[in-house]
Amino acid sequence: AQSVTQLGSHVSVSEGALVLLRCNYSSSVPPYLFWYVQYPNQGLQLLLKYTTGATLVKGINGFEAEFKKSETSFHLTKPSAHMSDAAEYFCAVLIAYGQNFVFGPGTRLSVLP
Amino acid sequence: DAGVTQSPTHLIKTRGQQVTLRCSPKSGHDTVSWYQQALGQGPQFIFQYYEEEERQRGNFPDRFSGHQFPNYSSELNVNALLLGDSALYLCASRLTGTGGANGYTFGSGTRLTVV
Repeated sequence: AQSVTQLGSHVSVSEGALVLLRCNYSSSVPPYLFWYVQYPNQGLQLLLKYTTGATLVKGINGFEAEFKKSETSFHLTKPSAHMSDAAEYFCAVLIAYGQNFVFGPGTRLSVLP
Repeated sequence: DAGVTQSPTHLIKTRGQQVTLRCSPKSGHDTVSWYQQALGQGPQFIFQYYEEEERQRGNFPDRFSGHQFPNYSSELNVNALLLGDSALYLCASRLTGTGGANGYTFGSGTRLTVV
């Protein structure tokens, strides 16, 4: 069975500092990998995804993530945090077309002025 | 182009009651999945509907049931509500055969509170 772990339920960074949100997955086959962001009282917005090809993926709002198969990781980074980045972030895996997402527990990002 | 629409946005029910949540998929999408997101947790897959049939189901009891209509819209029904059913219920749609990894769109959810 697939599973997703996110180290750190809450991460705080200062405005302008590096953002690093960790995601590790467990899967018997190479999965498709996603990061979603959820703002308060809203649904899920896709930040970026890895399906095939280049392992460094760039998404919206300056975020990027790198798929490292050997480490079964897909960590999310942003060079400089902005106050508007404060939200809940979810890592998710999708094993194959037609299947459904397995989400991690989420990491709440706080950005301090 | 309207995305996924869910109604109502908020709902309060009493233990033991029944509830129906509704989802209209993104235009052109024909497959609908439902997820439950408890407070402080990631979404968990409930079930998926395609061609008006339940195609896949997660680890949820039979109290959770659904339906898909010919226009691809969907309902989620929960019977005999428990306090633990309080959650944000998310609907996601896609078009079958277009490459699922690229095609999922999530709605904003229905916040269900059971008292």
